[in-house]
Amino acid sequence: AQSVAQPEDQVKVAEGNPLTVKCTYSVSGNPYLFWYVQYPNRGLQFLLKYITGDNLVKGSYGFEAEFNKSQTSFHLKKPSALVSDSALYFCAVRVPNDYKLSFGAGTTVTVRA
Amino acid sequence: GAGVSQSPSNKVTEKGKDVELRCDPISGHTALYWYRQRLGQGLEFLIYFQGNSAPDKSGLPSDRFSAERTGESVSTLTIQRTQQEDSAVYLCASRSSGSPITGELFFGEGSRLTVL
Repeated sequence: AQSVAQPEDQVKVAEGNPLTVKCTYSVSGNPYLFWYVQYPNRGLQFLLKYITGDNLVKGSYGFEAEFNKSQTSFHLKKPSALVSDSALYFCAVRVPNDYKLSFGAGTTVTVRA
Repeated sequence: GAGVSQSPSNKVTEKGKDVELRCDPISGHTALYWYRQRLGQGLEFLIYFQGNSAPDKSGLPSDRFSAERTGESVSTLTIQRTQQEDSAVYLCASRSSGSPITGELFFGEGSRLTVL
């Protein structure tokens, strides 16, 4: 079975400060990892994914994430947060030969001006 | 259309009534998923369609829930005899056939169901 944990329900940072949203996973086999963002009353939007190769993945809106196999983590980061980054962020995992995407519970990010 | 389209965007119904939710995936996307998002919770997998293969219904929570898809186009999720615990946002997503495992999902904006 595959699962994802987002240990923080909420993250609050000041605009211009670094933003980190944590994600850890548990899978049997090599993981495919994804980050999605959900703005109020909207569907989920894809941010970035890790499939293979370089552990640092760059995505949309200036976000990046680092795959750490030894710590089974895939934390989402942004060097300088914007107020417009305030949203609900979901980490998700899939394993080879499985089409299901398992989501974490989500982390609400609030960036204050 | 350019994206995944879902209707209705909002549905309020009385306990015991049947509801039908519709999803129109991105043209050419062979894979279609339904997820449920309860308030303050993550996404719960419901059902998966891939082309003309038998759907994976393993996530449907009870026999009151059913879903159909016509070929590689529109899908409908039906909830019979709705209960208050069915209140949630129902999200539909599609994926192209080109990357069945590594490809990302494209989500609609969801159908918010409220059962009174």
